[in-house]
Amino acid sequence: ETGVTQSPTHLIKTRGQQVTLRCSSQSGHNTVSWYQQALGQGPQFIFQYYREEENGRGNFPPRFSGLQFPNYSSELNVNALELDDSALYLCASSSGGSGGAGETQYFGPGTRLLVL
Amino acid sequence: QKEVEQNSGPLSVPEGAIASLNCTYSDRGSQSFFWYRQYSGKSPELIMSIYSNGDKEDGRFTAQLNKASQYVSLLIRDSQPSDSATYLCAVKRNYGQNFVFGPGTRLSVLP
Repeated sequence: ETGVTQSPTHLIKTRGQQVTLRCSSQSGHNTVSWYQQALGQGPQFIFQYYREEENGRGNFPPRFSGLQFPNYSSELNVNALELDDSALYLCASSSGGSGGAGETQYFGPGTRLLVL
Repeated sequence: QKEVEQNSGPLSVPEGAIASLNCTYSDRGSQSFFWYRQYSGKSPELIMSIYSNGDKEDGRFTAQLNKASQYVSLLIRDSQPSDSATYLCAVKRNYGQNFVFGPGTRLSVLP
């Protein structure tokens, strides 16, 4: 196990609703990255937080937003849910955040979101 | 052209054989390369990382990197049915903060 935890494990929402997913990073890690993984595809980068600041963002609309707290845990918020948002949402923690070559990311178990 | 490409598979090998998984990437500035294994319904788990050209061995796993050819591979020796999973190649650029993942290769090891 990586020591990265996520909650909830599963979630069912309806189109238009809002959702908040949570992640606790591994001890000693100050960086959290969020990924969306649709069925049969590789994870797609949503954004990263380093020391409570957004530190990079992928090609996702503004309705995907996040926070990082002083204890380095993080939230992913998705507003105005769409059917295509149904996916496995993965949180990964790492130490660094500076973009160094040696940075390795360790994944939590994920939250599976179904939008009806 | 996709940033990171992998054959989707499935790749089927008999138990005890060598499984060879391949990955190509488009960004020549990429510095770090990772292989993750993902069982169905689970999250990715790190197998190994490689940063320099050449081979890196860890138990039954060997990662090979050729930056000139923009190619990274993973060899699994003495494949076991428990190795059956999707293998994700991830590349970290020399700028930016994120990993770029390939679509994964599904490996099936037949008893």
